[in-house]
Amino acid sequence: SQQGEEDPQALSIQEGENATMNCSYKTSINNLQWYRQNSGRGLVHLILIRSNEREKHSGRLRVTLDTSKKSSSLLITASRAADTASYFCATEGGSNYKLTFGKGTLLTVNP
Amino acid sequence: ETGVTQTPRHLVMGMTNKKSLKCEQHLGHNAMYWYKQSAKKPLELMFVYNFKEQTENNSVPSRFSPECPNSSHLFLHLHTLQPEDSALYLCATSPREGEKLFFGSGTQLSVL
Repeated sequence: SQQGEEDPQALSIQEGENATMNCSYKTSINNLQWYRQNSGRGLVHLILIRSNEREKHSGRLRVTLDTSKKSSSLLITASRAADTASYFCATEGGSNYKLTFGKGTLLTVNP
Repeated sequence: ETGVTQTPRHLVMGMTNKKSLKCEQHLGHNAMYWYKQSAKKPLELMFVYNFKEQTENNSVPSRFSPECPNSSHLFLHLHTLQPEDSALYLCATSPREGEKLFFGSGTQLSVL
């Protein structure tokens, strides 16, 4: 299965600190995507990184991809209480273009 | 606002009821998806439509029946559901399959 597995399952930090979440997967991918979900709402796309890329930035977000280790990390710098949400990685690979999601990391940023 | 609207936001139904979930998109995307999100489980892909044609049925029970009458609308028809079908049902779209997804806010379904 290409399913991504996020680590840790839950993370609690103070405002201003950095938050790092990791994702591991099992088979080769075309791209890996990170999504955010506020409680009981739909997911919002954050960033997509292709298999030939190693790092991407978007505002306070930094994503890395290590295809040799089949892992990715999402770093949120200078976190805010509004960053409190669940974060999911999703992998896309193979010929059928299916996105496979992990169970997510619940991030809590305390004011 | 993502450009993908789902109705209703909440639905409570008995096991013998028939109901439908609706998804409408204003993005001009060609691919539309139904996902199921249950507590403590990964998001499960249910169905995929590409250019209004169903391209994926991920072994979903026949009590769930999708319909894509045009490129802007996607329905999920529900009948004789089970309590374990209670979950958040999410509609998503993408310009083409495999590209980033735009999600609606979901329908929180409770089956009694």
